[in-house]
Amino acid sequence: DSGVTQTPKHLITATGQRVTLRCSPRSGDLSVYWYQQSLDQGLQFLIQYYNGEERAKGNILERFSAQQFPDLHSELNLSSLELGDSALYFCASTPPRGSYNEQFFGPGTRLTVL
Amino acid sequence: ILNVEQSPQSLHVQEGDSTNFTCSFPSSNFYALHWYRWETAKSPEALFVMTLNGDEKKKGRISATLNTKEGYSYLYIKGSQPEDSATYLCALARGGSARQLTFGSGTQLTVLP
Repeated sequence: DSGVTQTPKHLITATGQRVTLRCSPRSGDLSVYWYQQSLDQGLQFLIQYYNGEERAKGNILERFSAQQFPDLHSELNLSSLELGDSALYFCASTPPRGSYNEQFFGPGTRLTVL
Repeated sequence: ILNVEQSPQSLHVQEGDSTNFTCSFPSSNFYALHWYRWETAKSPEALFVMTLNGDEKKKGRISATLNTKEGYSYLYIKGSQPEDSATYLCALARGGSARQLTFGSGTQLTVLP
């Protein structure tokens, strides 16, 4: 158990819908990263937040957005869902110093869009 | 675009065989190289963090080496066991404030009993 929690574990929804994935980082970690892992793809970096502010953006679609709240939990919002958005979504957190950027991963949310 | 390449993409070995795979990365602005083990239906778990040229790390039957000058790292598994079956990811950390990791696409190892 890495100490990073994600909910829900599974999510099944229909095309065109909107969902919210939630992540709580390890205690004391300020950075949260979101990744998408689709079938036959590696981990694709989506977005990073640090202490409530967006720090870096990767291959995140305009239909997707994220935020990090004052208690440091983060939410990833996916809207106008398409079949191709079906994937495993991971979040990870990093300690504020040391550890050489080591990331600790949550268990993931498996999203199925029907 | 930062390319972290891993080879081979997949590998099948017999139980008891030793094996190794490669991670290649741009050597400029190097900060650290991470190896993760990712089992099916689980989340990636950290194996090693490597920071210095010439670093060698070992955990049981798994070891890794690092060459930052030429931009590669090797992961070795000695006497592979079925429970070693997983995807092995390497990830590059570069200097800078964003503290991101750039992941390779992984090597999927299957150890056949």
